[in-house]
Amino acid sequence: DADVTQTPRNRITKTGKRIMLECSQTKGHDRMYWYRQDPGLGLRLIYYSFDVKDINKGEISDGYSVSRQAQAKFSLSLESAIPNQTALYFCATSDSPATRLAGSYNEQFFGPGTRLTVL
Amino acid sequence: RKEVEQDPGPFNVPEGATVAFNCTYSNSASQSFFWYRQDCRKEPKLLMSVYSSGNEDGRFTAQLNRASQYISLLIRDSKLSDSATYLCVVGNTGGFKTIFGAGTRLFVKA
Repeated sequence: DADVTQTPRNRITKTGKRIMLECSQTKGHDRMYWYRQDPGLGLRLIYYSFDVKDINKGEISDGYSVSRQAQAKFSLSLESAIPNQTALYFCATSDSPATRLAGSYNEQFFGPGTRLTVL
Repeated sequence: RKEVEQDPGPFNVPEGATVAFNCTYSNSASQSFFWYRQDCRKEPKLLMSVYSSGNEDGRFTAQLNRASQYISLLIRDSKLSDSATYLCVVGNTGGFKTIFGAGTRLFVKA
């Protein structure tokens, strides 16, 4: 089984709809992230969380919200989807410095991605 | 100016060729540097970390030049399976903020 899973893998929705993307991990990592990827722009950080009680905005958080329900779960919501939120969304996890293994400092492990289309 | 910039390519090379990618970053306080590989429609995966002294992993060599604020990736003896997009990633010491370059596409042809 994959260490980082995302659901759904594909979603087509309409403008104005509320959408939730879910991410689960079995790696035991404290840190989780949500990115979106657009052609030519690379991965951009939406939100990140250091632990269950910690939520931080990334560089493009407007129009998104997140919830860290447990160490293993981090969900991303689009309250009212708009067409320019059409993108590939990735969840990622990483070890925190206090528990990192030598040689794996800050490596991020990604889920398979969710392809979201907003019509 | 983007915080992390890469030549988007594509680089089209024959099997067996040596190819080099460069990446520049704007934040002189950056402390962590990585190369990730992303196959088409797949998630990024760590290829290698980049250390100040430079490091090598088989056919792959990564180097860091802090004075000029760039990192490089050298691939020797290219294989068809090396075809992918290579992402340059720069982070700070805490590791919570990592900036991804837009990626360089590599096509290796028989």
